[in-house]
Amino acid sequence: EAGVTQSPTHLIKTRGQQATLRCSPISGHTSVYWYQQALGLGLQFLLWYDEGEERNRGNFPPRFSGRQFPNYSSELNVNALELEDSALYLCASSLVFETSGRGNEQFFGPGTRLTVL
Amino acid sequence: KNEVEQSPQNLTAQEGEFITINCSYSVGISALHWLQQHPGGGIVSLFMLSSGKKKHGRLIATINIQEKHSSLHITASHPRDSAVYICAVRSSRIQGAQKLVFGQGTRLTINP
Repeated sequence: EAGVTQSPTHLIKTRGQQATLRCSPISGHTSVYWYQQALGLGLQFLLWYDEGEERNRGNFPPRFSGRQFPNYSSELNVNALELEDSALYLCASSLVFETSGRGNEQFFGPGTRLTVL
Repeated sequence: KNEVEQSPQNLTAQEGEFITINCSYSVGISALHWLQQHPGGGIVSLFMLSSGKKKHGRLIATINIQEKHSSLHITASHPRDSAVYICAVRSSRIQGAQKLVFGQGTRLTINP
C-alpha cells in the first residue's frame, strides 16, 4: 500500500513569489496535516484538514493557506514568500474517528524542501 | 517552557549499547508519539502510546501518564539507528484536536 506522497521534493522560489506544495494521503485516510520544520527549529503544526474543511490552524500568518480536495489530497499555499519560509514542509495523514479520546496515528510523507532566495 | 521537553538533546554511543531517550510533557494528552527522522528529512512513526508499554523489534516505548513522562529505549543499538528521535503529543485539552506538539528532538549517533 502506498504511503503519504508529497510533491515536489524540492522547490526553489524567490522572495515575494507563491509556492504550492501537494500531498496525497494514504488511501482511506481523510485527515491531512501540514507541518513546518525550519532550519534549527523543531516541527511546528501548520494546518489540519478533514473531510475538505480546515479543522485547526497553527500560529502562522494568513499567507499560509491550503485546501483539501474531494479525493482527500491537499495543497499548501504560501503567498508572498519570505526568506524565513525556507523549511522542510511535512504532510501527514490519519484516520479520524468520531469517538473522542481515541488517538489516531499520523503517517508522514517524505517532505518538500522549500528554499526561498 | 516548551510543552514537550526531550533529553538528552544529543547522544553518542557505541554499537551495542542500550539507549534511553526521555520525554516529559506538561499538558494533558490523548496520545504520545515517538517519531524517527533520518537525514534528508523523512519521518517514520515508531510508536503511538496512550498507556503502558509497546515493543517493536529492538525498540521499546513506555509511558507514565501520572508522571507525564515517556521513554524510548533501543536495545543492541546499531549505526543504522542513528537519526533524530522526536517525541510528540496530542493534547486532550481541545476536543477533537488532532494536531501534534513536538519536542525538539534527540540526535542519536551510534558509532561502530
